[in-house]
Amino acid sequence: LAKTTQPISMDSYEGQEVNITCSHNNIATNDYITWYQQFPSQGPRFIIQGYKTKVTNEVASLFIPADRKSSTLSLPRVSLSDTAVYYCLVASTPGTDKLIFGTGTRLQVFP
Amino acid sequence: DGGITQSPKYLFRKEGQNVTLSCEQNLNHDAMYWYRQDPGQGLRLIYYSQIVNDFQKGDIAEGYSVSREKKESFPLTVTSAQKNPTAFYLCASRPTGTGGRETEAFFGQGTRLTVV
Repeated sequence: LAKTTQPISMDSYEGQEVNITCSHNNIATNDYITWYQQFPSQGPRFIIQGYKTKVTNEVASLFIPADRKSSTLSLPRVSLSDTAVYYCLVASTPGTDKLIFGTGTRLQVFP
Repeated sequence: DGGITQSPKYLFRKEGQNVTLSCEQNLNHDAMYWYRQDPGQGLRLIYYSQIVNDFQKGDIAEGYSVSREKKESFPLTVTSAQKNPTAFYLCASRPTGTGGRETEAFFGQGTRLTVV
């Protein structure tokens, strides 16, 4: 299983763009990259998933370089409600892997 | 509404007692997972199951047991052998297949277990 490495914490201010990078040097050909968000005392929830290049949805963008050894979650114009822990996971289809969460990145947004 | 339900939300037990945490899903997902989360820490995998009547140990299975008799249910028993059972427990499920968003996992709201 590909191991992921993320910064432990990041700080930002409201209205700024936040980029969280995840390293996954041993990613396999059939692995997807998925990001989750977790608020205190809640289960993580899916944010975005990608395989290569760029993916964008209503919440975030995910940038994946050609070698796929890293990925960057981009949160545009963060607000206080984006304060949470963000996890990067690498897992394969057809989804029979165990899902391994790392320590995540704790994002603190200040007013 | 489809979803994954954990019960109870809070659970208190005396040291030395076994306790079973419930996890039910109506999403028709094959794979189910149990995680433990300690304060300020990430999620650690306890057990996972990819199909009914089959399950595998995760990274911290000692002191825990599971069963998967039905597709919808994956209960976790915290036994007296678990040295430090007080934690936040999360159950998840996800579909299996080919292509698309199979790796998206859906989580329950968690059970906070306190052993006194």
